[in-house]
Amino acid sequence: GESVGLHLPTLSVQEGDNSIINCAYSNSASDYFIWYKQESGKGPQFIIDIRSNMDKRQGQRVTVLLNKTVKHLSLQIAATQPGDSAVYFCAERGNTDKLIFGTGTRLQVFP
Amino acid sequence: GAVVSQHPSWVICKSGTSVKIECRSLDFQATTMFWYRQFPKQSLMLMATSNEGSKATYEQGVEKDKFLINHASLTLSTLTVTSAHPEDSSFYICRADRDHTEAFFGQGTRLTVV
Repeated sequence: GESVGLHLPTLSVQEGDNSIINCAYSNSASDYFIWYKQESGKGPQFIIDIRSNMDKRQGQRVTVLLNKTVKHLSLQIAATQPGDSAVYFCAERGNTDKLIFGTGTRLQVFP
Repeated sequence: GAVVSQHPSWVICKSGTSVKIECRSLDFQATTMFWYRQFPKQSLMLMATSNEGSKATYEQGVEKDKFLINHASLTLSTLTVTSAHPEDSSFYICRADRDHTEAFFGQGTRLTVV
């Protein structure tokens, strides 16, 4: 099912540092995972995805790591910038089209 | 790139009235669209799956008579919140998938019921 939290965990990082956002997913049958960025008052924006047959995928300034053994997903953002400040959600998809979202992490970047 | 357009971006309505939210896929056809609800500081919760030409599939706990979904064409799904009450105030987001793979989200609709 879906997890819902009343208080978003917050990660505060200094501009220029690397950020690591973690996510635990629930369904061992999920085979596709996506990270989304959501800015206040907007819909989720695709960042990067990874399939279960991979354990790492890199994009521009972002890397996603997948550990299926412990059902853990992480998003690494290199050289974090003020524009990266947002809430980040992981999402998992199994053998249906449903995307199940994690609780989210708020990333705050300070100068 | 593909764009999903959601309208309106915000709406304020009186308690007891109904509100319709539109979700359009602008440059691709989507046989399936999804509606999510998001309360402040919370994650997106799937409400229902909208299927073109057939009835929507609702998640457990979501009232189908309150949240009417119509997927009249391959590019348009609508969500109508009927007899809205203040507890229905939320951020509603639609999603459409291109080729059943790439998921695109609308901009969201902030509904405030007064």
